[in-house]
Parts: sequence; structure tokens; C-alpha cells
Amino acid sequence: SQELEQSPQSLIVQEGKNLTINCTSSKTLYGLYWYKQKYGEGLIFLMMLQKGGEEKSHEKITAKLDEKKQQSSLHITASQPSHAGIYLCGADMGGSQGNLIFGKGTKLSVKP
Amino acid sequence: DSGVTQTPKHLITATGQRVTLRCSPRSGDLSVYWYQQSLDQGLQFLIQYYNGEERAKGNILERFSAQQFPDLHSELNLSSLELGDSALYFCASSIPRTTGRNTIYFGEGSWLTVV
Repeated sequence: SQELEQSPQSLIVQEGKNLTINCTSSKTLYGLYWYKQKYGEGLIFLMMLQKGGEEKSHEKITAKLDEKKQQSSLHITASQPSHAGIYLCGADMGGSQGNLIFGKGTKLSVKP
Repeated sequence: DSGVTQTPKHLITATGQRVTLRCSPRSGDLSVYWYQQSLDQGLQFLIQYYNGEERAKGNILERFSAQQFPDLHSELNLSSLELGDSALYFCASSIPRTTGRNTIYFGEGSWLTVV
């Protein structure tokens, strides 16, 4: 089984709709990173969460960390075509810093 | 722009050959990480260097090696290349913090195609 599960694998939403992507770890989380990637391109850092209950927002994207559930969620409000891409969560599970375990990613398409 | 620079962006080479990928970390960042992203394995940690010294190893093959130079740039050497080594190779960097986790910034990646 995967150490880090992301769901859903893909998502198609109408522009203006809200959406949530989940990331669940099988191990204790010491930090949880969210990145966005356009196919074949670099990873754009979105947010890092490291404390239970922590919540961060950037523009219309909000991420939360539920330490007890070993889970994080990424919520996009009023989605736009510019939000389309692959969202990746990366978990620090207590190894050396920077040794992140990544989920398989969630492919988001936003229909205008 | 993350500030992490990788060259080359694209590389096509034949099986059995050797290539070198180069990475310049963000200004001031002491740690460099290498990751491999392939369709079947996803994004996987290969190796970390901190201020010139190897700090951690992940799923890095023996045919692969890396180093970090005094000016903090890093190179990933891939030898005896196989078709399965075709992937997107990322470099990332971070600055050490005294407390908490570091923000890790990724470069644009180097696309390696082995034919």
C-alpha cells in the first residue's frame, strides 16, 4: 500500500466551483508540503504545514493539516482555469529534511 | 521562478551512455536534493547534499552518483543508461532553519530520454 494516498486521482470541475483534494499518510507527519505542477514542468511550491491543526491560505487556496488523522486537505475556492494542473502532496515522515514521500498527484481540470 | 536552476532542460541519449545533470540552488541555500519523476514510480527522492557533504540517500541506483561543489552547485551523474532511466530529474534546495521544517523549492527539471 502507498505511504501517502492522494484523492481523487483526477478531478474535472466547472469554473467557479469549489473543490477539495485530500492527502492521507500511513505514518506520522512531521511536515506536509503542497505543490502544483503543469505537465512536464517544475513543481511550484504552494504551502507547507507542520503543526497539527495548522491552516494556511494563499489567494483562493487553503490547506489544512489534521495531525491526528495524519491527513491534509487542499481546498480551492471559486476555481479558475489557471488552477488547472497536477497537485502533489509531499510528506516529511521524519527522515532527513527534504526527503519527502510524494503522493501520485491529483490532476485538476477546470472547464470554462 | 523558484530560483533553482537546472541544465540541460532536455537531453536525449543512447543506452549505455553517461550524462551529467547540473543544478544551481537558490542563493543562500546549503541543501540540494535530487528527485526522479517517472510515470510508473512517481516522484522519488534520490539523494541529498548539505554544504558539500552527502546527507541522505533514497532510492538512488548504484549507476547514479552526485556531488556538491564548494560553490554549492550540484551535479547528478547517470551512467550505463537504460531505457527505464528516462524520466524528469528534479533538483531542489532549501536553507537550514534552527527550528521547524524547511521550505523546499524545486527547479524546472531536466528531461532525460534514453533511446
